[in-house]
Amino acid sequence: DIVMTQSPDSLAVSLGDRATINCKSSQSVLYSSNNKNYLAWYQKKPGQPPKLLIYWASTRESGVPDRFSGSGSGTDFTLTINNLQAEDVAVYYCQQYYSLFSFGPGTKVEIK
Amino acid sequence: QVQLQQWGAGLLKPSETLSLTCAVYGGSFSGYYWYWIRQSPGKGLEWIGKISHSGNTNYNASLESRVIMSVDTSKNQFSLRLTSVTAADTAVYYCARGRARGTAAFGYWGQGTLVTVSS
Repeated sequence: DIVMTQSPDSLAVSLGDRATINCKSSQSVLYSSNNKNYLAWYQKKPGQPPKLLIYWASTRESGVPDRFSGSGSGTDFTLTINNLQAEDVAVYYCQQYYSLFSFGPGTKVEIK
Repeated sequence: QVQLQQWGAGLLKPSETLSLTCAVYGGSFSGYYWYWIRQSPGKGLEWIGKISHSGNTNYNASLESRVIMSVDTSKNQFSLRLTSVTAADTAVYYCARGRARGTAAFGYWGQGTLVTVSS
């Protein structure tokens, strides 16, 4: 099984600043035949289902603001939120879909 | 626009069977895998299983002995049964679909159903 870890567990960022969340997989999620990383990022707010932000590690889902970006390859990935807005307060999860499916434990983003 | 609407019993006693159904509106039912995912209180997200429109299944190994998923293609619905529930199965359960064929980045979600297991 692929185990996903995230860091930090939580972070407090001032409005307008940048939030950086890291995700690491226990084995590579890069599929060599198509050179795609099977890694997604979600935003989760209380009382709502998760919202897909990023797939293939760096492709933004339609309608997601461009202040959200994903990067990384293989086993190490990053979600960056530039110009943090109040509505970005949430828990963020990474998920691999390379071998079945598993999620990271989540990173809570708050306003400083 | 694809919409997933789910329903099922929200309060169960230990040893009972959890039963949830998810209806799919808009888009195609065939050609996709359909998923169940849960989130226990204060905890992260856990994949439960997936089922194709033709009934092929894969289950999380940690739950496999208690999970049964099924589809009803005539109604564009799929269902989850989890037997012999305990307090550890208390969670919000979601149905979901990949954003597109060939990817399990979950772009479509049901609204979630809180299932509480308590005597």
